[in-house]
Amino acid sequence: NAGVTQTPKFRILKIGQSMTLQCTQDMNHNYMYWYRQDPGMGLKLIYYSVGAGITDKGEVPNGYNVSRSTTEDFPLRLELAAPSQTSVYFCASSYGTIGRLNTEAFFGQGTRLTVV
Amino acid sequence: AQTVTQSQPEMSVQEAETVTLSCTYDTSENNYYLFWYKQPPSRQMILVIRQEAYKQQNATENRFSVNFQKAAKSFSLKISDSQLGDTAMYFCAFMKSNNNDMRFGAGTRLTVKP
Repeated sequence: NAGVTQTPKFRILKIGQSMTLQCTQDMNHNYMYWYRQDPGMGLKLIYYSVGAGITDKGEVPNGYNVSRSTTEDFPLRLELAAPSQTSVYFCASSYGTIGRLNTEAFFGQGTRLTVV
Repeated sequence: AQTVTQSQPEMSVQEAETVTLSCTYDTSENNYYLFWYKQPPSRQMILVIRQEAYKQQNATENRFSVNFQKAAKSFSLKISDSQLGDTAMYFCAFMKSNNNDMRFGAGTRLTVKP
């Protein structure tokens, strides 16, 4: 199993450009998440999905969009990149609600995005 | 809103010694989960230990244990027999039951010295 795979690992964007961060998991997990990690800070939840066709906002959703057309994939879209979106982005997945019945979240290795 | 506070931005410990990382949280909830994650330089987030709030017994995982004080809203991590591979950022995290928004503290950078 590859686990959670994110692409690309690094990207530099110009202000106003758009891009999609890809995330795929091969563990047949129902739940998927997108977090951002700003320098010197913990992770903050952007969006999450509890299954194909279902998405919900997290703590910091502004400036982002997501879709979940399949169980495996959960892409994150930035439409008009801004310097405030410079961050490391993590995708994660879990079988169910994290913590319940010892359910654990599995993280990808992150995408470092710089907006200039 | 739930907040998680890690008051120690950086800590260091000698190899084979014991270190305790602090975490406090603020919530009005009674049912929730607490976690400690390790983030080495590779950036990979690795679950170290978890605690269910309804359990009074402190969780342990090999060299890692927690001191969970529910009334004080405190959740510290103790690492015994520290190893060089323990060098990493450590994040405390909180999540309400039946919720999917895990809240993280700002992290503690731990350095294990030979």
